[in-house]
Amino acid sequence: DAGITQSPRHKVTETGTPVTLRCHQTENHRYMYWYRQDPGHGLRLIHYSYGVKDTDKGEVSDGYSVSRSKTEDFLLTLESATSSQTSVYFCAISATGGRGYTFGSGTRLTVV
Amino acid sequence: ELKVEQNPLFLSMQEGKNYTIYCNYSTTSDRLYWYRQDPGKSLESLFVLLSNGAVKQEGRLMASLDTKARLSTLHITAAVHDLSATYFCAVDMGNTPLVFGKGTRLSVIA
Repeated sequence: DAGITQSPRHKVTETGTPVTLRCHQTENHRYMYWYRQDPGHGLRLIHYSYGVKDTDKGEVSDGYSVSRSKTEDFLLTLESATSSQTSVYFCAISATGGRGYTFGSGTRLTVV
Repeated sequence: ELKVEQNPLFLSMQEGKNYTIYCNYSTTSDRLYWYRQDPGKSLESLFVLLSNGAVKQEGRLMASLDTKARLSTLHITAAVHDLSATYFCAVDMGNTPLVFGKGTRLSVIA
């Protein structure tokens, strides 16, 4: 009954390669978010979406792009992966802007 | 810019003891959330606090919100090992994404 799934769960990639992470929801929620989690920093917002093709930047958006062509999918792309982008990436969804989130299981990305 | 500060960031507690985690935030808001994260896992919602003076309790955990002081507390009563996890508070400004604290890593030891 996940309602939100992230893929892949784990990925190792080389510096300079493009990487796309996928977040898929079955809840028909309007809002979707991408956060990264790093030790000592908590969760930091990368990008978010408030509707199909409507996205905005978060506090750590440099080096990342997103796309949302349909309600259920929110893609995060690292155009050219760097070691500083090694992190755990969480997707979250929300029915409205102010009702709290449901989180995906996370993607552990390692850039070597 | 909204700032959310949690303290302590690390907490080692003995079983059976009480303790409080604090979450301070810099801008007026009357909605705050607490999440729990077990090692290697995702975040799970614990409490939703939607007004000044709100108090929620579940088991050995109790959360409260004082919007005038811009402070939320998560109180742990008679800690048990199963409460070992990282706890995050997150502040809701309404039309913008949640802003999270850095988390409090709680370790309950015998």
